[in-house]
Amino acid sequence: QKEVEQDPGPLSVPEGAIVSLNCTYSNSAFQYFMWYRQYSRKGPELLMYTYSSGNKEDGRFTAQVDKSSKYISLFIRDSQPSDSATYLCAMSASGNQFYFGTGTSLTVIP
Amino acid sequence: EAGVAQSPRYKIIEKRQSVAFWCNPISGHATLYWYQQILGQGPKLLIQFQNNGVVDDSQLPKDRFSAERLKGVDSTLKIQPAKLEDSAVYLCASSLIQGQNIQYFGAGTRLSVL
Repeated sequence: QKEVEQDPGPLSVPEGAIVSLNCTYSNSAFQYFMWYRQYSRKGPELLMYTYSSGNKEDGRFTAQVDKSSKYISLFIRDSQPSDSATYLCAMSASGNQFYFGTGTSLTVIP
Repeated sequence: EAGVAQSPRYKIIEKRQSVAFWCNPISGHATLYWYQQILGQGPKLLIQFQNNGVVDDSQLPKDRFSAERLKGVDSTLKIQPAKLEDSAVYLCASSLIQGQNIQYFGAGTRLSVL
């Protein structure tokens, strides 16, 4: 079983839609949870990070962590064409070794 | 603030040849990471340095891959000899201190092994 599971998509939504991206994990020791955005031919860029459970909001982005279900989500409100990218979740138990999901490819259609 | 610099951006080699990648982290960042990202997959950690010492190289195929970080700044990753399955993007990342979760990534080196 992989440490982190993420639906690769692709996901295609109209501009203005609410997007929900999700990851599940198996290691109950994970306590640092991150979402990265990766544009084509670029390196990943950190979007959000959360420690332990709970929600975190930053502009149009909301990250949720449910440790009891081993499930994390990233919500994008009012999606824009510029949000078209691959979104990677990443997790760590100690803050040192990070485990990445496979990434979900998102296209926002104008 | 300058980001993580990597070179070359692209490299095409034949199997059994050697190749080297270079990374210059963000100034002052003590921790440096090399990741391998195969198409359609997430990055996989190859090696992590804290200053010029290795923290974790458990997933580095040491029979063909080597990495060094002399003087605790720049780093090079080498593959010798390359195999077809080494075709991937090699990403370098750095963070200010070990255990800090904000890793800043370079644009990567895209390697094609023919």
